[in-house]
Parts: sequence; C-alpha cells; structure tokens
Amino acid sequence: NAGVTQTPKFRILKIGQSMTLQCTQDMNHNYMYWYRQDPGMGLKLIYYSVGAGITDKGEVPNGYNVSRSTTEDFPLRLELAAPSQTSVYFCASSRGPQGPNTEAFFGQGTRLTVV
Amino acid sequence: DAKTTQPTSMDCAEGRAANLPCNHSTISGNEYVYWYRQIHSQGPQYIIHGLKNNETNEMASLIITEDRKSSTLILPHATLRDTAVYYCIVRARGSQGNLIFGKGTKLSVKP
Repeated sequence: NAGVTQTPKFRILKIGQSMTLQCTQDMNHNYMYWYRQDPGMGLKLIYYSVGAGITDKGEVPNGYNVSRSTTEDFPLRLELAAPSQTSVYFCASSRGPQGPNTEAFFGQGTRLTVV
Repeated sequence: DAKTTQPTSMDCAEGRAANLPCNHSTISGNEYVYWYRQIHSQGPQYIIHGLKNNETNEMASLIITEDRKSSTLILPHATLRDTAVYYCIVRARGSQGNLIFGKGTKLSVKP
C-alpha cells in the first residue's frame, strides 16, 4: 500500500518557468490537500478537493492552480514560478473531514527552489 | 475556526513520559482535536485524535479536559526518535475539515 506519492522529490526552476507537482493516492480518499511549508514555519493550505471535479482555494492559492479529474490524482500547477514559491510542498489525503478514521496521510514532499 | 495554543519548545529525558499541552478554548462541541508530528523535514505523521473521551493507541495517549478547552498528548516512554515538531489541530468547520497548522511544539528528547 503506497499511500500518498509525490513526484518529483526535488526540483529547481528558473523564474517564469512552469511545472506540475504530481500527487497520487491509492486509498480511495475523497479529500485531498496541497500545503506549502516555508523554512521554520508551519504548513499553509494552498488548495483542497473534496472529490473528483471539486476544488477550492485555501489560505495561499495565488500563483497556483489545481485540477481533480480522478479520485486518485491531485496535481498542483505553477504557471509562472517566482522566488517566493521556493518551499517544500506536501500533498495529503483523508477519508473525510473529521470523525473516526479521518486522519490525513501526507506524502514525503517536493522540495522546490526557484532561482 | 477554533485556534490552538502550544508552547514553542519542550525538552524530555529519554525513557521518560513526554506531556505536550494544547489549549483550544474556543473549540465547538462537534470539533475533534487532532495531533500530528513532523520529524525533520518529512511529511507530517498522524498520531491520534479525539472528541471528548481520552484516547490511546500504540503511539500515544490523548487526555481531553472535561470542558474540552485543553488537551495533553502523552508519549509514555519518549525515545530519541520522538524528537519532532508536534502539532495540535482542531479540525476546522466550514472549510471541509481542513487541517490548519500552527507552529507547533518542538520536542527535544535528550539522552
């Protein structure tokens, strides 16, 4: 059981370049999330999805886009990379919002540097 | 959304119990308290969660006060591998249950 898988693990982008961070889960979870974590800080929510075809903004959505065409996949798109987007990005999934068996499972992160 | 307050850092001797406090005085009646930890720069790891009653699993125990305004995470026999940042989170209402992370408590387990 792989859980939540993120690719790539590391990436260096030049300013203005675009890229897609991939996230896939094999637990049939409806809820999926993208967070970013700057050095020494807590995680901030970028976007989330409560099911295929449904996405919504979190705390810090500017500069990012998402799509959710399947239950398994939740890619995060950076259109015009900026140095402020240098961060570690975590994808997570959960069965539901709260209650029994609703813990979130996190991927191992993508470390992105924009130069 | 109910906010949480945690100490910035704590130390614990290896083999002793680590008691990590969390205040959540504005918690609503149907909101759960979740605990996660993050070891170095890895993805956060779920530890435990609860609503009203105390909970225990293979990793830890969660003690929630009767008024639910605070809770304590207990690691019964801390090891060096428990050194991490521990996050106490109240699952948000109206935001599809998103986990809102604060700065957490940096627990250092010392030999």
